[in-house]
Amino acid sequence: AQSVAQPEDQVKVAEGNPLTVKCTYSVSGNPYLFWYVQYPNRGLQFLLKYITGDNLVKGSYGFEAEFNKSQTSFHLKKPSALVSDSALYFCAVRDEGSARQLTFGSGTQLTVLP
Amino acid sequence: DGGITQSPKYLFRKEGQNVTLSCEQNLNHDAMYWYRQDPGQGLRLIYYSQIVNDFQKGDIAEGYSVSREKKESFPLTVTSAQKNPTAFYLCASSRARDRSYEQYFGPGTRLTVT
Repeated sequence: AQSVAQPEDQVKVAEGNPLTVKCTYSVSGNPYLFWYVQYPNRGLQFLLKYITGDNLVKGSYGFEAEFNKSQTSFHLKKPSALVSDSALYFCAVRDEGSARQLTFGSGTQLTVLP
Repeated sequence: DGGITQSPKYLFRKEGQNVTLSCEQNLNHDAMYWYRQDPGQGLRLIYYSQIVNDFQKGDIAEGYSVSREKKESFPLTVTSAQKNPTAFYLCASSRARDRSYEQYFGPGTRLTVT
């Protein structure tokens, strides 16, 4: 079985401050982990993924995520938030050894305050 | 939104009518997916197809049907048997054989049934 949790429905940060959007996962084998962003009434855009290797993954628009196997987490981070980063963020997981398709979290609404 | 198009953007139907949502991709991807998005619930997989003329049920296939006659096209029919069809529908595609490959999403169709 595979599952993913985003414990915060909403995150608010001030512009210029660092931001973190949390994600934890559960899989039987090795995880493939993804972050997507969605702007209002739009499709999802791929930000970054972890497959193997370096635990710190860098992606689009200055975002990065840290894979932590012992804590089964894959938190999304950005050193300095922009108002334009305000959007809905989804974490997703896929078990490397499973036939199951991608499982998405319920999403975290990020608001960056000017 | 990459090379995936969904039409129409907004769709209104009366209860009891079947409706077909269009999804076309020019990314030469083998796999295509349909998701349903409801507020606070993330994305739920309806159907997916990894090759032409073949498709599998996802987690919430009841009341939906699909076809995959061409690699580029994966239309979704929302039938009158779907009890709560009002939602935002997202189509996606990816490389089928690479399980670590990310999915690319279309802009979505918002269906309202009254």
